Amino acid sequence: QVQLVESGGGVVQPGRSLRLACAVSGFTLRRYGVHWVRQTPGRGLEWVAVISYDGRDKDYGDSANGRFTISRDTSKNTVFLQMNSLRAEDTAVYYCAKGSSGSYYWIVDNWGQGVQVTVSS
Amino acid sequence: MLTQPHSVSESPGKTVTISCTRSSGSIASSYVQWHQQRPGSAPTTVILEDNQRPSGVPERFSASLDTSSNSASLTISGLKTEDEADYYCQSYVGNTVLFGGGTKLTVL
Repeated sequence: QVQLVESGGGVVQPGRSLRLACAVSGFTLRRYGVHWVRQTPGRGLEWVAVISYDGRDKDYGDSANGRFTISRDTSKNTVFLQMNSLRAEDTAVYYCAKGSSGSYYWIVDNWGQGVQVTVSS
Repeated sequence: MLTQPHSVSESPGKTVTISCTRSSGSIASSYVQWHQQRPGSAPTTVILEDNQRPSGVPERFSASLDTSSNSASLTISGLKTEDEADYYCQSYVGNTVLFGGGTKLTVL
């Protein structure tokens, strides 16, 4: 059964960095893409980034703004989101989500439980 | 951009439809998904690839496209109180994923 478990969240000061991890099971990263999506309090879902099934393509939404980097370690079945120069407006729940297989990885079909990131001094 | 109504409400047992209108490009040019988010919970996917229900999603959930209005629709029949949630449409264009703003469904 597909599972995605996020970790690495917490409280961080503005300007600092944080790395989120998404440990996956029930599917292989070599066949499926993985997304990061965030949700600010009382707001909707905002797409952050995706890494393709072959790891070659990494794409980012406006919210990543050149400060975030997505990567993966297939040996650990884990996808990462490195967030630098964090701002108060990055405060959100961050979800990782599984994409469909192959080139259809733009289709989101499973979600993790989310991890809270709070940027505050 | 995907536009959804902010909120809808309906009574238990009735049928409700939530729309998702694409502002540019054809709604049929890329698959549309629908995600349900109950209060305090993570989203779950209730519709894939325009109109496919993932395993475990009740048949009460269905979806379609209307190219004349360039929109997608999620229909929930036989409403139950447990269907009260936020619903988000999701699609993609180029190398970008799009989410609608979400629709709050109240079952009263």
